[in-house]
Amino acid sequence: QKEVEQDPGPLSVPEGAIVSLNCTYSNSAFQYFMWYRQYSRKGPELLMYTYSSGNKEDGRFTAQVDKSSKYISLFIRDSQPSDSATYLCAMVGGGNKLTFGTGTQLKVEL
Amino acid sequence: GAVVSQHPSRVICKSGTSVKIECRSLDFQATTMFWYRQFPKQSLMLMATSNEGSKATYEQGVEKDKFLINHASLTLSTLTVTSAHPEDSSFYICSARVPGKVNEQFFGPGTRLTVL
Repeated sequence: QKEVEQDPGPLSVPEGAIVSLNCTYSNSAFQYFMWYRQYSRKGPELLMYTYSSGNKEDGRFTAQVDKSSKYISLFIRDSQPSDSATYLCAMVGGGNKLTFGTGTQLKVEL
Repeated sequence: GAVVSQHPSRVICKSGTSVKIECRSLDFQATTMFWYRQFPKQSLMLMATSNEGSKATYEQGVEKDKFLINHASLTLSTLTVTSAHPEDSSFYICSARVPGKVNEQFFGPGTRLTVL
């Protein structure tokens, strides 16, 4: 079993839709949770960074962490074609190394 | 802030040659940099952790004699793929940790290596 599980998609939604991206994890040592956006043939870009369980909002993006269920989510409101990318969840435990999910490919269509 | 660059962005080489990839933190000093490898439609796999002024720490299964890492300054780390073979063809990405933000890493744009 992988430490971090993420549905690879692809996920296709119409413009303006609310997108929900999710990851589950098995390692209780993970304490910090990030979401990265990666455009094709580019490096990942940090979107959100959370520590505790609960919600964190930044513009159209909301990150949600449920440590009791080992489940994290990223919500994108009013999705735009420019949001089309691969979204990677990443987690850090005591070793300070990032463990990534496989990434979910998102396509927002006009 | 927190900009990381990589050079070159793309390289094609013949089998058996060595290739050097540079990773630079442009607006901050990075005591720790990381090197990742990413195959198509797969996630990033950590290859090694590079600390300025000391030897890199390699992940299990990564050949340190094949992937030479040097972190000679607080703004530059290099990855040299020695005696490259077609199976080394991949997307190599570096990241740098921002001082004081232990759990945040900022990534470079990546280098696509193709070995013929």
